[in-house]
Amino acid sequence: SYVLTQPPSVSVAPGQTARITCGGNNIGSNSVHWYQQKPGQAPMLVVYDDSARPSGIPEQFSGSNSGNTATLTISRVEAGDEADYYCQVWDNSGDHHVVFGGGTKLTVL
Amino acid sequence: QVTLKESGPVLVKPTETLTLTCTVSGFSLRNARMGVSWIRQSPGKALEWLAHIFSNDEKSYSTSLKSRLTISKDTSKSQVVLTMTNMDPVDTATYYCARMGDSSSDFDYWGQGTLVTVSS
Repeated sequence: SYVLTQPPSVSVAPGQTARITCGGNNIGSNSVHWYQQKPGQAPMLVVYDDSARPSGIPEQFSGSNSGNTATLTISRVEAGDEADYYCQVWDNSGDHHVVFGGGTKLTVL
Repeated sequence: QVTLKESGPVLVKPTETLTLTCTVSGFSLRNARMGVSWIRQSPGKALEWLAHIFSNDEKSYSTSLKSRLTISKDTSKSQVVLTMTNMDPVDTATYYCARMGDSSSDFDYWGQGTLVTVSS
């Protein structure tokens, strides 16, 4: 089955740029989606189809995807961005399955 | 306004069968290419996808849990139902339903989640 690998944690100072990676075999051929989850809340979509932002998501959230790595970039990080972030793909190889990464805890120092 | 809401028991005993209902509003389960998944999250752990049902009633299941899961929908009631058999304490988790829109494979709307505890 398809596996998505994320770093368990990323730390960044306020105002700096955070980059969260999501590794997978030839992930660049998939559409990657990213979710933000704060404690006690349901996940929220912040980037879809590699780099598109849903309505209401600020421009500080951006994404890229190439080769074996997709990246969520959060510019000008604020304390309110501290959360868990998950990547997700729809794996069309064999059975149609949804796959989530293991999640990354973003800490704002 | 699109909403999804999970409902079901808060507590189940080991070996029992869990039945969860996701009631949706603001869209129709008949919409072409639109589907609903069930996703769970054990305390302090990552998201785990369980099952998906498409608008054409095609279904897909997590390989590791396939033997225990059944997903179905009642379009007239705007409900998606998940059953999980032979519940175990390790199945204690918050269970979410989420909508996959008609233009991509992301989950654009999520329910608030329902915590299910498995304990005797």
